[in-house]
Amino acid sequence: AQSVTQPDIHITVSEGASLELRCNYSYGATPYLFWYVQSPGQGLQLLLKYFSGDTLVQGIKGFEAEFKRSQSSFNLRKPSVHWSDAAEYFCALNMDNYGQNFVFGPGTRLSVLP
Amino acid sequence: DTEVTQTPKHLVMGMTNKKSLKCEQHMGHRAMYWYKQKAKKPPELMFVYSYEKLSINESVPSRFSPECPNSSLLNLHLHALQPEDSALYLCASSQDPSGGRNEQFFGPGTRLTVL
Repeated sequence: AQSVTQPDIHITVSEGASLELRCNYSYGATPYLFWYVQSPGQGLQLLLKYFSGDTLVQGIKGFEAEFKRSQSSFNLRKPSVHWSDAAEYFCALNMDNYGQNFVFGPGTRLSVLP
Repeated sequence: DTEVTQTPKHLVMGMTNKKSLKCEQHMGHRAMYWYKQKAKKPPELMFVYSYEKLSINESVPSRFSPECPNSSLLNLHLHALQPEDSALYLCASSQDPSGGRNEQFFGPGTRLTVL
């Protein structure tokens, strides 16, 4: 069965430091991959998505992610974290001809120290 | 207009009450979704409407009753809920129900508390 894991439940970084959030997936074919961010009590906002082509994907708010098929990973990165980036981050997978049911990872909570 | 709106923002109800959650999008999307999200957990899919027809019901108790009056509106009718139903209820929409490439656009959610 398809699945998404995010090995880090909680990450704390200092403002201005770099960030990498890990995401691994299990799926036999090429998946469609997404990163969403959720601020407390809010809905989810799409940061970026990967379908095919260039494996380095640029998103909003200075985020990028790299798809590595050999490692079944889609890690999210940001070179310099801002205090406003503190939130919950979800990696999600979708599959062709199965567009209605995202598989979400458990989420990683990011805290940012001043 | 690229947003999904939800009302109310907060709702407190007793176990014998009947209430409804509303969701609206004007992006021309043909798939709409209800999710339930408990604290510190990812969203859990409840229902999917595809071209205004219910296409997925993830074994949700009958005290939750979805309705899709038209392509822009989605309701979730609540009746005889339990305290464990307290959660953030998220609505989402996507352009094409069958396309895996289509991201889902989420509303801000309704925070439901059942007393």
